Amino acid sequence: GNSVTQMEGPVTLSEEAFLTINCTYTATGYPSLFWYVQYPGEGLQLLLKATKADDKGSNKGFEATYRKETTSFHLEKGSVQVSDSAVYFCALSDRRAGGTSYGKLTFGQGTILTVHP
Amino acid sequence: EAQVTQNPRYLITVTGKKLTVTCSQNMNHEYMSWYRQDPGLGLRQIYYSMNVEVTDKGDVPEGYKVSRKEKRNFPLILESPSPNQTSLYFCASFPQGMGGELFFGEGSRLTVL
Repeated sequence: GNSVTQMEGPVTLSEEAFLTINCTYTATGYPSLFWYVQYPGEGLQLLLKATKADDKGSNKGFEATYRKETTSFHLEKGSVQVSDSAVYFCALSDRRAGGTSYGKLTFGQGTILTVHP
Repeated sequence: EAQVTQNPRYLITVTGKKLTVTCSQNMNHEYMSWYRQDPGLGLRQIYYSMNVEVTDKGDVPEGYKVSRKEKRNFPLILESPSPNQTSLYFCASFPQGMGGELFFGEGSRLTVL
């Protein structure tokens, strides 16, 4: 079956530090890969996505590249801010042949990021 | 404003007392789903629905029921809640063909004593 493994947290950084959150996956089909972010007291929001190998997703200074050869989708940001403090979830959506998705996301366990001034 | 709305946001109840968590979306999405979030386990899918009157089990359906009588609504029913159903619940939706990008509600925190 499908699975997603994220680096264990929590991660604590100082403002302007470099961030990497590792994510690896196993999937049987042609997965799309996602990073979702959950700010305190809120639901999950899509941060970025990549739908095929070598695609790079980016948003709000965050980036992640779909690496099929290493089955990875690591999240990076060059300079974090206090406002980036949140829980980050890596997820995959397995598409059926033909490219349609039935919408089931398989999530990693989440990584808590805390950024101090 | 496009949104997924869940109610209640917070609930404390006792074992065995039936409860319903409502979910409504105003985006005309075909697909809706329920997840529960537990520390160290990420989000796990409970049930999903690909359209009206079409529902199916996710990874952790035991103890839950759902219905999809209208496109916009997808209530989660706990017929006889137990303490192991204490969790944070999220409803999500998306239109067909969107490749898995879900729109989430703000969550419902349920405590079963």
